Amino acid sequence: DAKTTQPNSMESNEEEPVHLPCNHSTISGTDYIHWYRQLPSQGPEYVIHGLTSNVNNRMASLAIAEDRKSSTLILHRATLRDAAVYYCILRALSGNTGKLIFGQGTTLQVKP
Amino acid sequence: NAGVMQNPRHLVRRRGQEARLRCSPMKGHSHVYWYRQLPEEGLKFMVYLQKENIIDESGMPKERFSAEFPKEGPSILRIQQVVRGDSAAYFCASSFGLAGVDEQFFGPGTRLTVL
Repeated sequence: DAKTTQPNSMESNEEEPVHLPCNHSTISGTDYIHWYRQLPSQGPEYVIHGLTSNVNNRMASLAIAEDRKSSTLILHRATLRDAAVYYCILRALSGNTGKLIFGQGTTLQVKP
Repeated sequence: NAGVMQNPRHLVRRRGQEARLRCSPMKGHSHVYWYRQLPEEGLKFMVYLQKENIIDESGMPKERFSAEFPKEGPSILRIQQVVRGDSAAYFCASSFGLAGVDEQFFGPGTRLTVL
């Protein structure tokens, strides 16, 4: 699986938007970009994924660069509950066993 | 639809004992993954199973660790002769399929403490 690079930590104020960047310069054409997050003392949870086009769901938005070498997870209004470690993960469409390769992720702190 | 269930949530063992961790995937899911999170470290893949088959065990320690997912019942991660270094949170995840788009649903984890 291709490697991703994320900042170690970020801070945000409550109710403000948060942009979490991820670089994946060696991404291949069939790699999907997935985001998971892990709240304190909990198992990871899926946030969003995309291939080429920007994606929106009830939790977040995913903006993918035109060359696909980077992406940004957008939380539109951060809440205290969004404080977590956010992982950007590349997953091949096929030819893999589906395992998730977690990096160090970005630890997001949300200040009231 | 119940989520992924793991039990026990907390497990304490003395060195040399056996630890058995159980995982019941979401209904309809036939793919199960086990991950380990050592203290102050990231999540590491251990093993991927389908019913009655181990598909990928590239992340499993060579000795003392084994996993199964029988035709009936939960998936079991078994650690024999535990050592202090096995103390960690063990997470199970399940998915409907394995393609790159299928999300994995994680359980709450089993926190193993070896005394």
